[in-house]
Amino acid sequence: ETGVTQSPTHLIKTRGQQVTLRCSSQSGHNTVSWYQQALGQGPQFIFQYYREEENGRGNFPPRFSGLQFPNYSSELNVNALELDDSALYLCASSVNRAVNEKLFFGSGTQLSVL
Amino acid sequence: EDQVTQSPEALRLQEGESSSLNCSYTVSGLRGLFWYRQDPGKGPEFLFTLYSAGEEKEKERLKATLTKKESFLHITAPKPEDSATYLCAVQASGGGADGLTFGKGTHLIIQP
Repeated sequence: ETGVTQSPTHLIKTRGQQVTLRCSSQSGHNTVSWYQQALGQGPQFIFQYYREEENGRGNFPPRFSGLQFPNYSSELNVNALELDDSALYLCASSVNRAVNEKLFFGSGTQLSVL
Repeated sequence: EDQVTQSPEALRLQEGESSSLNCSYTVSGLRGLFWYRQDPGKGPEFLFTLYSAGEEKEKERLKATLTKKESFLHITAPKPEDSATYLCAVQASGGGADGLTFGKGTHLIIQP
């Protein structure tokens, strides 16, 4: 059984650029969530996708968007990058959206915005 | 707005020295309270879910308890490999996002 994998592991971008982060969910999981973790903080919920549709969103602006594909892999897109977007971006998958009992997290993508 | 506050921010213990981590929360309606462990450079790893006041769960040297306002993670006779950041999170019932609200975590160091 493969776990949650994220790519790339590290990324450096310039303010104003756009970035796409990728995630492969754990086998058999149809729900994926994305979290942003700033240094020294707990993860913050960005949004959740279930069967290719966004079904929950945290307090993040529209320039944060996502996709979930039929094979349940997922992308997080961030437009017009700002310095404060520098953080660890975590993808987490779960068996289904009804019970977020056990989230399986990837190791994250460390994004630095200069 | 849901809030989670963890204390202490950091804790240094000697191997074998038992202690407790605190998680205070305010939430409109609690669907579940979660404990995760996070090692440096890794994503959080699930430990426990608690659903109602009075509930307790155990795993090896860890025991989590829940009241209506807070949760404790008790660590008995810890070993150096228990060193990590421990995160507490809540999920609210009812409408809105299904995401978890996390605290900032307690950074635990166990010295041999």
